[in-house]
Order: sequence, then structure tokens, then C-alpha cells
Amino acid sequence: DAGVTQSPTHLIKTRGQQVTLRCSPKSGHDTVSWYQQALGQGPQFIFQYYEEEERQRGNFPDRFSGHQFPNYSSELNVNALLLGDSALYLCASSLSGRPTDTQYFGPGTRLTVL
Amino acid sequence: AQSVTQLGSHVSVSEGALVLLRCNYSSSVPPYLFWYVQYPNQGLQLLLKYTSAATLVKGINDFEAEFKKSETSFHLTKPSAHMSDAAEYFCAVTTTDSWGKLQFGAGTQVVVTP
Repeated sequence: DAGVTQSPTHLIKTRGQQVTLRCSPKSGHDTVSWYQQALGQGPQFIFQYYEEEERQRGNFPDRFSGHQFPNYSSELNVNALLLGDSALYLCASSLSGRPTDTQYFGPGTRLTVL
Repeated sequence: AQSVTQLGSHVSVSEGALVLLRCNYSSSVPPYLFWYVQYPNQGLQLLLKYTSAATLVKGINDFEAEFKKSETSFHLTKPSAHMSDAAEYFCAVTTTDSWGKLQFGAGTQVVVTP
């Protein structure tokens, strides 16, 4: 059973560019959450998608947007990249997004903004 | 709003010695608490979780944690450290009205010495 997969593994962009990160959830999971983990810090919640809609959002600007497809895979888009957007972006999936559900994390996408 | 505080950003422990990682939470409603481990260049893996059943929770690799409401704590322990336990550990909290939005602590880096 494949776990959560993310692509690409690494990405280098320059300031002002746009980036799209992709995530495939664990089989049977319908909820996808995205987290940003800056170097030396804990992950910060960006948003959560359930049934193709954004159900919850953290304290991130509108430059961060997402999408969930009918097969439950998800994309994270970041526009007008800033140096401070350099981080590890983690995708997590769960059965339904209930608070007691275990969230399974992918290996992450390392984004470097120059 | 809820939050967690992890005491000690770095912990050094001898192989075979007790591992104790401290986590205190803040929440105005009953919390659900999680411990995750992150190995270098990898995503997060769940060690254990508290979901309001037993207050003493046993996880993988002989880790356990005890939920103490009076102390607002959820400390992680392991009786005997192995070299393979060297990693970063994160405590996280969520609540019923957060729909699985995890609020993470800053993490504790564990170093195991022979």
C-alpha cells in the first residue's frame, strides 16, 4: 500500500515566480492537509481540503492557494514567491479529517527561493 | 486557540538510558495530542496519540506518553534509548472544532551517544 507521495522532491525558484506542488494521499483517504516547515521549526498548518473544498485555513496569505481533485489528490500553489517561502512543504492525508484521525505525512517538497 | 510548548530544543541521552521529552499544551477545550518523529530529510511519522480514552498511551518502538490534565502535559518517554532514536520529535495538539488542524511545537532534537 503506497503511502502519501509528493512531487517534486526538490525545487529551486526565484523571487516573484509561481510554484505548484503535488500530493497523492494514502489509499482510501479523502482529506489532505498542507503544512509549511521552515528550517529548525515545527510544521505550520496552511490549509485542509475535503471533498474538493477548502475546509480550514491557517494564517497564510492569499498567495497560497490549493486544489483537490476528484481522486483526492491535491495541489499547493504559491504565487509571487518570497525568500521567506523557502521551506519544506509537507502534505498529510487522513480518512476524514476528524481530529482523532491519524494524519499520515509524505516526505515533503523542499522549496528554495533565491 | 490551542498551542504546545516543548521544553528543550536539544536533548542528549546515552544509549540505554531513559528518554524523556517534555510537552505542555494550552487549550480551552479538551485536546487531542500527538507525538511525531522526523528523521533527516523525511516526513513525520506518528509515534502515538491521545484521543481521550486511556491517559497512558503506548506507541511504536516502546515509546509511551501520559496525559495529565492537571499539569496540562503530555510527556514522551522511552525506557532505553537506541542509536536509531536519534531524530527530531514533535508534539502536536488539535481539538474537536479544529477538524484535524494540528498545532505543532517547535520540536526537540534528540542525540544518542554510545
